[in-house]
Amino acid sequence: DAKTTQPNSMESNEEEPVHLPCNHSTISGTDYIHWYRQLPSQGPEYVIHGLTSNVNNRMASLAIAEDRKSSTLILHRATLRDAAVYYCIVSGNTPLVFGKGTRLSVIA
Amino acid sequence: DVKVTQSSRYLVKRTGEKVFLECVQDMDHENMFWYRQDPGLGLRLIYFSYDVKMKEKGDIPEGYSVSREKKERFSLILESASTNQTSMYLCASSLEAGVGYNEQFFGPGTRLTVL
Repeated sequence: DAKTTQPNSMESNEEEPVHLPCNHSTISGTDYIHWYRQLPSQGPEYVIHGLTSNVNNRMASLAIAEDRKSSTLILHRATLRDAAVYYCIVSGNTPLVFGKGTRLSVIA
Repeated sequence: DVKVTQSSRYLVKRTGEKVFLECVQDMDHENMFWYRQDPGLGLRLIYFSYDVKMKEKGDIPEGYSVSREKKERFSLILESASTNQTSMYLCASSLEAGVGYNEQFFGPGTRLTVL
């Protein structure tokens, strides 16, 4: 599985957009880009995934670079409930291999 | 609603005890997984299973075994618990591989303390 690089932590003000970056320069052609997040005291939960094109869902948007070597998870308006560890994973379907993720703090 | 349940949220055991952590999913998923999560180390894969009675080692299988006798249930077994197995244990499941994208659904976790 391709290795990913994410910042250890980021901070955002409430109701502002957040851009969480992820580098995955060794991604292969069939690898998905997955984002999961883990809220305090809970198991991880799915956020979004993509292969080549940008993706939107009710939780977030995923912007994928043209060469697929990096991607950005976009939370359009951060809320206090979005404070979590966000994991970027690059792999085939399963099993997922988690790195350390980015701890997002949201300030009221 | 999709559900993965784990038998306990908190568990305290003594060194040398045999420990069973149970995980049940109600989504008719083929794949099931056990991870452990430790501060500074993230989630690490212990074992997974693609079908009943099948198992595959993950990255850190030493000291653990698993059992999958029924599709919906995946058990993690610590044959002789040790203090370095104190951790948060997370179970997950996903649909059959090869059928489109397979989201992994996680349980709430079991925090195991071995004294």
